[in-house]
Amino acid sequence: ETGVTQTPRHLVMGMTNKKSLKCEQHLGHNAMYWYKQSAKKPLELMFVYSLEERVENNSVPSRFSPECPNSSHLFLHLHTLQPEDSALYLCASSQDRAGYEQYFGPGTRLTVT
Amino acid sequence: QQQVKQSPQSLIVQKGGISIINCAYENTAFDYFPWYQQFPGKGPALLIAIRPDVSEKKEGRFTISFNKSAKQFSLHIMDSQPGDSATYFCAASKNSSYKLIFGSGTRLLVRP
Repeated sequence: ETGVTQTPRHLVMGMTNKKSLKCEQHLGHNAMYWYKQSAKKPLELMFVYSLEERVENNSVPSRFSPECPNSSHLFLHLHTLQPEDSALYLCASSQDRAGYEQYFGPGTRLTVT
Repeated sequence: QQQVKQSPQSLIVQKGGISIINCAYENTAFDYFPWYQQFPGKGPALLIAIRPDVSEKKEGRFTISFNKSAKQFSLHIMDSQPGDSATYFCAASKNSSYKLIFGSGTRLLVRP
């Protein structure tokens, strides 16, 4: 596929749970991204990491906490989510700092009950 | 200024026909305009992209037309096939930013 894998593919969690989404890229890229895709809005950029440093945070609620331990792995830690957080969460990576040619993973379909 | 407006929201085309999806932007600093294709259950995949120094780019059956003065760009799918049925997103970015600003998407259905 695209060289970007995400686990789990589907997740159902209660509002009081804590869970984590994982992303791994096998493309040798140095920037990684989290996006939220919901039915009613365009793709929304949540976080950007370049060379393992967070370089952008688009006013995302603190109940979403990213972690980038190295250039190949990206996590999104979730806690006390709301039903409106139900969406497809997509991870992407790119080669250069400008973010051109982003390659997306298949996403994690999250349902918050 | 950061928005990319995409139309139509949905499109039905007969097999062999031409599919046309349009996007418009406001920010003249944008210098990269990709199109992504997304099938159900998959993440978006880069289809074709253009920079504003050219007015057209063609890759197989897919063509981007770019009108810098009108701040518009469009995707043309020639000889549309049922396998092209997917959601298509335009996007825009500028060199100084990590952000890809996405349009709202167009759901294309190609009837056999």
